[in-house]
Amino acid sequence: DTAVSQTPKYLVTQMGNDKSIKCEQNLGHDTMYWYKQDSKKFLKIMFSYNNKELIINETVPNRFSPKSPDKAHLNLHINSLELGDSAVYFCASSQDGNSNEQFFGPGTRLTVL
Amino acid sequence: DAKTTQPPSMDCAEGRAANLPCNHSTISGNEYVYWYRQIHSQGPQYIIHGLKNNETNEMASLIITEDRKSSTLILPHATLRDTAVYYCIVRVEDNFNKFYFGSGTKLNVKP
Repeated sequence: DTAVSQTPKYLVTQMGNDKSIKCEQNLGHDTMYWYKQDSKKFLKIMFSYNNKELIINETVPNRFSPKSPDKAHLNLHINSLELGDSAVYFCASSQDGNSNEQFFGPGTRLTVL
Repeated sequence: DAKTTQPPSMDCAEGRAANLPCNHSTISGNEYVYWYRQIHSQGPQYIIHGLKNNETNEMASLIITEDRKSSTLILPHATLRDTAVYYCIVRVEDNFNKFYFGSGTKLNVKP
């Protein structure tokens, strides 16, 4: 009965590769997010989608392309991976854009070698 | 959004109250104070939020000073499972608002 799930949990890959991280929420929420937590543990928002529409794009390189096939899913595709992309990526969801509470997934630890 | 200042770490004995301070001296009148926590290797978890009045829920209490320039999160009876990084965030309650997480306070609950 996991509320927000992400796959994979760990991802190790070589520089220059393309990879995807999947996120699903079964809470019936309208809004989903991607956050990046770097090695210094700062958590920064990357994207926000509402009902499959992109709402927030927080100055993220266009190598990162989120895709929302339906409002329960928000996947993150990353092209031409760089060393600096190594981080933990968290997916989150909220009832709508006004919600006070965001529900976070368990995170995906991406390591680029 | 206004910035917040929190101590980098605090210790608390198990069973005692944990009082986590947060300064937000530049907070605007329409900005709420939120608290989230992140237990090691997990995603952040919402705790509580408030505007002016003190708030209490099953997890914690939030005390906001009258001038709103600072607040305190209180965990009344800390347990070992409360060991986590606690983030204080100020944010306008608006459409597709953003949460800006700072460096937080690492709370260590000790037996």
